[in-house]
Amino acid sequence: EPEVTQTPSHQVTQMGQEVILRCVPISNHLYFYWYRQILGQKVEFLVSFYNNEISEKSEIFDDQFSVERPDGSNFTLKIRSTKLEDSAMYFCASSEALLNRLIQETQYFGPGTRLLVL
Amino acid sequence: AQTVTQSQPEMSVQEAETVTLSCTYDTSESDYYLFWYKQPPSRQMILVIRQEAYKQQNATENRFSVNFQKAAKSFSLKISDSQLGDAAMYFCAYSPLGGGTSYGKLTFGQGTILTVHP
Repeated sequence: EPEVTQTPSHQVTQMGQEVILRCVPISNHLYFYWYRQILGQKVEFLVSFYNNEISEKSEIFDDQFSVERPDGSNFTLKIRSTKLEDSAMYFCASSEALLNRLIQETQYFGPGTRLLVL
Repeated sequence: AQTVTQSQPEMSVQEAETVTLSCTYDTSESDYYLFWYKQPPSRQMILVIRQEAYKQQNATENRFSVNFQKAAKSFSLKISDSQLGDAAMYFCAYSPLGGGTSYGKLTFGQGTILTVHP
């Protein structure tokens, strides 16, 4: 069964450093998402991406964050200058595109990347 | 803005028994999707079941079923014949129908930790 994959599974970084989290969505999916979950808290939406541009972003997704689809398979989240409060689990998700864009398809999540900022 | 509330931080059930997890939500939309996701200790988000708001019939997936009360904005998950492997954090989530500015964004509840006793 196809699945979303994410690398690395864990990342430790120093405050102020740049990190890139990588995701490989399910191959026939065209909508991509990033969510984060701070330990003990709810899962929060960061950004959605379709047709090589951001569809929507939350207030969390400030100028320190960016997303990119550098090739036909990868979808990346970059944090330019990490802060302590960026420590969280980051989930990538993807959903299938349909001809009728008004139908929301189920989002399938990757296993997450646990980011720790020291 | 849409909100999702899970009022039960923790629930427990005996193996083979039935348990119901509660979820309420707030939206001004008439069409939307609701989901239950399971997050085991591995922290991967696994889809359990989904419900389209325009469907009267409650969704069912094997031992998992929902009680969707649209007027009351309630969406509870019933797990029958509970198994040890059902132990996890369960998240209720809301998604608008496609279109507008919130396409694809999942809004999660706070989660309910389910413990299954042998």
